[in-house]
Order: sequence, then C-alpha cells, then structure tokens
Amino acid sequence: AQSVSQHNHHVILSEAASLELGCNYSYGGTVNLFWYVQYPGQHLQLLLKYFSGDPLVKGIKGFEAEFIKSKFSFNLRKPSVQWSDTAEYFCAVIHTGRRALTFGSGTRLQVQP
Amino acid sequence: GAVVSQHPSRVICKSGTSVKIECRSLDFQATTMFWYRQFPKQSLMLMATSNEGSKATYEQGVEKDKFLINHASLTLSTLTVTSAHPEDSSFYICSARSTPEYTEAFFGQGTRLTVV
Repeated sequence: AQSVSQHNHHVILSEAASLELGCNYSYGGTVNLFWYVQYPGQHLQLLLKYFSGDPLVKGIKGFEAEFIKSKFSFNLRKPSVQWSDTAEYFCAVIHTGRRALTFGSGTRLQVQP
Repeated sequence: GAVVSQHPSRVICKSGTSVKIECRSLDFQATTMFWYRQFPKQSLMLMATSNEGSKATYEQGVEKDKFLINHASLTLSTLTVTSAHPEDSSFYICSARSTPEYTEAFFGQGTRLTVV
C-alpha cells in the first residue's frame, strides 16, 4: 500500500527564515502529488500540486515544491516565511487506480515574529 | 476554488445515540465524495469513498454498519455515526471531487464530534 512520510512533525522558525518541509512517498508508479495547508480553525486548502511536466512546481503564497522521482520526494519550500504561514502542512499522494488521497502525518509550522 | 460545506462544525452527543454529518458541494457537482477521520496530531485517515447513487466503498477496518454513508445527490453526502461511543469522538472531514478523472479534491471545514 502506498504511504506518505513527513519527517518534520513540528517546525519553529523566525520570520524571514527559509523553509523546507520533507515529504517522501512509497508508491513506485505514476503519482500525483499535493501539498495542503490547514490554518487554525479553517479547512484544508490546496497550496500546490504536481501532475506532470516541470518537476518544480510553484504554488500560492510564495510556496514551491520539487518532485524528485528518483528520491520519491516532493519537498515543500519557501524562501522567506511570514508569521501568517503558521499552520499545519500536509503532503498527499494519489496514484492511478486509487481515487482517494493518501496523506502524510502533517507538519506543524510555527513562525515567530 | 470550489466550496465544500460541512455541517455541523461541532456536535456533542450522548453515548448510544446517532449523529448525522452533512457534506455539500456548493458550486459544483461532486461525483465522488470522501470521508476522513483525523485523530489529534495525526494524519487524515480515509474511511470511505462514495459515488453518487451507489454504495460507499469502505476502507479496511471501518465498520460500514456503524458509519453509514449516503450520497443521494451530486451535491450532498451524509455520514451517520450510529450508536456512538466515546471512542468515536474525533474530527471528521469530507472531501469532494467533480469528476473521476480530475484528481484535485476540495475539503469541508470538518466536524468535531464529542461523544459523552
């Protein structure tokens, strides 16, 4: 069965620091990859997604992610975080033949002013 | 993006009673809906997948007689937790997708269920 691993459970950064959140998946076939964000008290929102093409994907709010097929990774990055980026971040994967997303355990990002 | 509305956002019920949670797609037709359960500080675990007009497909370990899912229309799916017990207390999240081929899904705001 496919699985998704997020290595960082809780990350604390100061404003303007750079961010990289790790995500690895286990499925060996064709996958679609997503990063979702959940702000406190709100529903999950899509940050960015990768289906095919350029492995460097740019999303909303200055986030980007790079798909490295050989490493089964899809790490999320942002060069300079803001206090408003404080949230829970989830990596998710879907592959052909499976209709639902499989989520990682999430990373809680806390940005200190 | 598309909007998925989930109701209620919080519910407290007595042990042994049933609770119904609604999930509506407000501006698109959801051919497929998903129900997830999220435990504190853990990931979203898929409970079941439903297509409009057909029976839901439950994940292994999820009791279909306890968690009744109905997807009677293209804009509404309901999850009924029957004979609820304290261990059913959790955060339930629905998700909806417009076509089988379009893999981006949209999420409701979740329902916090507390069984006392």
